[in-house]
Amino acid sequence: DAKTTQPPSMDCAEGRAANLPCNHSTISGNEYVYWYRQIHSQGPQYIIHGLKNNETNEMASLIITEDRKSSTLILPHATLRDTAVYYCIVTLGNTGKLIFGQGTTLQVKP
Amino acid sequence: NAGVMQNPRHLVRRRGQEARLRCSPMKGHSHVYWYRQLPEEGLKFMVYLQKENIIDESGMPKERFSAEFPKEGPSILRIQQVVRGDSAAYFCASSYGGSSGNTIYFGEGSWLTVV
Repeated sequence: DAKTTQPPSMDCAEGRAANLPCNHSTISGNEYVYWYRQIHSQGPQYIIHGLKNNETNEMASLIITEDRKSSTLILPHATLRDTAVYYCIVTLGNTGKLIFGQGTTLQVKP
Repeated sequence: NAGVMQNPRHLVRRRGQEARLRCSPMKGHSHVYWYRQLPEEGLKFMVYLQKENIIDESGMPKERFSAEFPKEGPSILRIQQVVRGDSAAYFCASSYGGSSGNTIYFGEGSWLTVV
């Protein structure tokens, strides 16, 4: 699985969009980009995943660059409850072996 | 639609006792995964199971740990002769299949404390 690089921490004002970047320059053609988050003392929560095209669901949008070497998770209107550690994971997605790095700690401030 | 269910949520064991953690996957899911999160550390993959089969146990400690996913009933992660270093959160996850791009959903975890 390709390695990912994320900033260790970010702040975001409540109500504003939170844009979380992820670099995955060694991603292979059939690997997916997954995003999970973990709120303190809870299980990881699936957010979204994509292969090549941009994706959107009720929680977030995922923007993948054309060369697929980086992506951005967008939370359109961050709330205090979005404060969590966000993990960007690149994997085929067929083994269940997700490699959780250090992630980005997002602090949403009032 | 119930999510991945884990029990017990909290378990206290004395050193040397056995710990059994149970996981019921989401309805329709036949693939189960176990992860461990030690205090102040990231989640680490332990084992991947399908019904009655262990697919990948590369993350399981070689001794004292075992996992099963029987034809009927929940998946069980068993830790024999627990030691203080086994104190951690154990997360179960499940998916519908093992194909590329499938979505893996996690439970809320079982928190083991060894005293």
